Amino acid sequence: EAGVAQSPRYKIIEKRQSVAFWCNPISGHATLYWYQQILGQGPKLLIQFQNNGVVDDSQLPKDRFSAERLKGVDSTLKIQPAKLEDSAVYLCASSLEPVRETQYFGPGTRLLVL
Amino acid sequence: SQQGEEDPQALSIQEGENATMNCSYKTSINNLQWYRQNSGRGLVHLILIRSNEREKHSGRLRVTLDTSKKSSSLLITASRAADTASYFCATGVRGGNKLTFGTGTQLKVEL
Repeated sequence: EAGVAQSPRYKIIEKRQSVAFWCNPISGHATLYWYQQILGQGPKLLIQFQNNGVVDDSQLPKDRFSAERLKGVDSTLKIQPAKLEDSAVYLCASSLEPVRETQYFGPGTRLLVL
Repeated sequence: SQQGEEDPQALSIQEGENATMNCSYKTSINNLQWYRQNSGRGLVHLILIRSNEREKHSGRLRVTLDTSKKSSSLLITASRAADTASYFCATGVRGGNKLTFGTGTQLKVEL
């Protein structure tokens, strides 16, 4: 079974530029999550999708971050414009259903904002 | 915000020794999970313990949960160099599977 796929693996941009990350969850997984992990900290949930609907985006900085999950499969996370403090690893995870608590994580995208 | 805090922040042991790391959390939970993260890679689920359970085993892993103290511990027995990683506890609340992660323990197992 293929795992959660993410691209790109690394991205370096200058502040005020925009960037987009892509995630393909495990086939059949209805729930998809985006996390931000700053160096030395645990992952922080940014947004949770159930199929193509948003379940929780309370910690998403909506003035600069946006995410979508069209057709309930792949998802993209965008930052526009980026700030220095957005430098982090962006992790995508998926789970089979809301009641299946185990989450499966992708390798992450490491973002450096200069 | 971080729900849990792991203790210690860093732990260095010799191969073959046991490693114990602790997690404390603040609010009522439905379950508590432990994840491992190798350097530069995603997180891997290790074990889940529900709020009505007190102890759970999986291979060389033993997890305990004390809901009265809002704490959990992860014991790795007979550690190996391949166990070198960061370990995170994550709490799940009733009614959904949103996870809130702790700050992590960095474990180094030396040969």
